[in-house]
This record gives sequence, C-alpha cells and structure tokens, in this order.
Amino acid sequence: NAGVTQTPKFQVLKTGQSMTLQCAQDMNHNSMYWYRQDPGMGLRLIYYSASEGTTDKGEVPNGYNVSRLNKREFSLRLESAAPSQTSVYFCASSRPVNEKLFFGSGTQLSVL
Amino acid sequence: AQRVTQPEKLLSVFKGAPVELKCNYSYSGSPELFWYVQYSRQRLQLLLRHISRESIKGFTADLNKGETSFHLKKPFAQEEDSAMYYCALKEGGATNKLIFGTGTLLAVQP
Repeated sequence: NAGVTQTPKFQVLKTGQSMTLQCAQDMNHNSMYWYRQDPGMGLRLIYYSASEGTTDKGEVPNGYNVSRLNKREFSLRLESAAPSQTSVYFCASSRPVNEKLFFGSGTQLSVL
Repeated sequence: AQRVTQPEKLLSVFKGAPVELKCNYSYSGSPELFWYVQYSRQRLQLLLRHISRESIKGFTADLNKGETSFHLKKPFAQEEDSAMYYCALKEGGATNKLIFGTGTLLAVQP
C-alpha cells in the first residue's frame, strides 16, 4: 500500500518553462490537496479537490493549474515557471470531514 | 480572518527537559485543531488532534478557547522527538482544508 505517491522528487526548471507535478493515491480518498512549503511560511494550500470532478482555489493559486483526472490522481501544472515558485510541493489526500491528511514525500522544485 | 501562529521558529531543549511548543489561533467559531510532525527524511504526518484528546508518543495538547491556544506539551523530551512541528486549523465547511502555522523546529540535545 503506497499511500500518496508524488513524482518527480526533484526538478530544476528555467524561468518560463512548464511542467506538471503528478500525484496519485491508492487509499480511495475523495479529497486531494496541493500545498507548498516555504521557509518561515509553513504550508500554504494551492488548490484542493473535494471530490472527483471538482477543484477549488486555495490560498496561493496564482501561477498554477490543477486537474483531477480521476479519483486517484490530482496533478499540478506550472504553465510558465517563475523563481518565486521555487519551493517544496506536497500532495495530500483524505477521506471526507474530520479525517487526517495523508501526505506524499514531496517534490523539491527549483526555478532558475 | 482564520490564522495559526507559532511564535517560535526553533526550540532547543536538553533530553529529559519538558517541552512546550506554542500555537495560537484565530477563528470565529468552534475550532478543530491538529498537530502534524515531520521527522527528518519522513513524510509529514498527523501527531494528534484535539477532538481525540489523546496522547501520542507522550505528547498532549489541550485546547484553551479563552486563550485561543493549542500548545503541544511533553514532560520529558527524547532525542527522537527532534522534528518540525506544525499546528493546523481546519477551515470551516465540509472539507479537510487545513491552515498551517509556520512550524517550529524542535531540537533535543543529548
């Protein structure tokens, strides 16, 4: 049982390049989330998906798009990467209401 | 506005000393609060939640609505407690969206 799997683990981009961060969970969870972790700022929610077919903006959605491809997968896309998007990205999933979040191992992204 | 404040970036204690990681929140309503922990080279994981009133790995946290606090405590720190600790507040509604604090790095010295 892998839990939440994120790929890639590391990525270096040049300013203006695009890429997609992949996330998949095998726990049959309805809800999925993308957070970014920055020093001194904690984790901030980028986007979340309460259920398959729905997505909503979080605290810091600018510069990102998401796709809830199916119940298992929730991808995060950077269309034109900027240095301000250098961060560690975490995907998470949960069952509905009052359930704990299960996190992936993170993607360390550097934008030069 | 909903907010979680962890005033200490770093807390350094000696093994066997008491630990208190501070967390204050701002929320209009009945809050649901959590502590998440990230050990070195491990995933972020739930440590405890206030509704369970549980003790995990010797840690406890009591919700104090008067002081709007949810401090994490342990009477005797162990070296393996060294980690990054995040306090989190559940946003209102039917989702599990969490607002995280900035985190406190706990370093337990031998």
